[in-house]
Amino acid sequence: GAGVSQSPSNKVTEKGKDVELRCDPISGHTALYWYRQRLGQGLEFLIYFQGNSAPDKSGLPSDRFSAERTGESVSTLTIQRTQQEDSAVYLCASSLAAGYTFGSGTRLTVV
Amino acid sequence: QKEVEQDPGPLSVPEGAIVSLNCTYSNSAFQYFMWYRQYSRKGPELLMYTYSSGNKEDGRFTAQVDKSSKYISLFIRDSQPSDSATYLCAMSAIDGYNKLIFGAGTRLAVHP
Repeated sequence: GAGVSQSPSNKVTEKGKDVELRCDPISGHTALYWYRQRLGQGLEFLIYFQGNSAPDKSGLPSDRFSAERTGESVSTLTIQRTQQEDSAVYLCASSLAAGYTFGSGTRLTVV
Repeated sequence: QKEVEQDPGPLSVPEGAIVSLNCTYSNSAFQYFMWYRQYSRKGPELLMYTYSSGNKEDGRFTAQVDKSSKYISLFIRDSQPSDSATYLCAMSAIDGYNKLIFGAGTRLAVHP
């Protein structure tokens, strides 16, 4: 597609439920990133996929968070047993070279 | 101490003003510096990308990097109401494929 597509755009979930967030990167972009943006704060790195290399998971805040990517296409970020502090906008980005292209994000609210 | 510090603002200026946005950083390994603009409920979009020290100009926007002071700036000339957004600085030690470290973002409002 023309840009990075994320779904759903908004998600409200009950505390303790699992959620799955999806990212469709730009076709041909080999690198894919997930970031989290809490209200009024900057972007916090979560995980990075580059081609067939092992992902850099150093930003995942706990073992409740996991992500997968199928080849150089779709990625899914899963949050298990959601907590209220997980409420944030989850942004996906892809890149081929310098600079990222971001999606519009998924706004997650845990009630 | 955060690796990248950025004043969150908000910064309010009249239309036509020159705007100066700044970030400081602590990691001397950073070589690649970017500025992103983020409108409300949208993802950040890349505005400027610079390598090492120096200036880069693109239309009304000028990015400056001073590695000796670990200080970067974005200047917006002849600011317009459409420039009202949050501006995020970002940087990395390695080009291309690598995670970026972001500042918290500065909220800018340009009023007519």
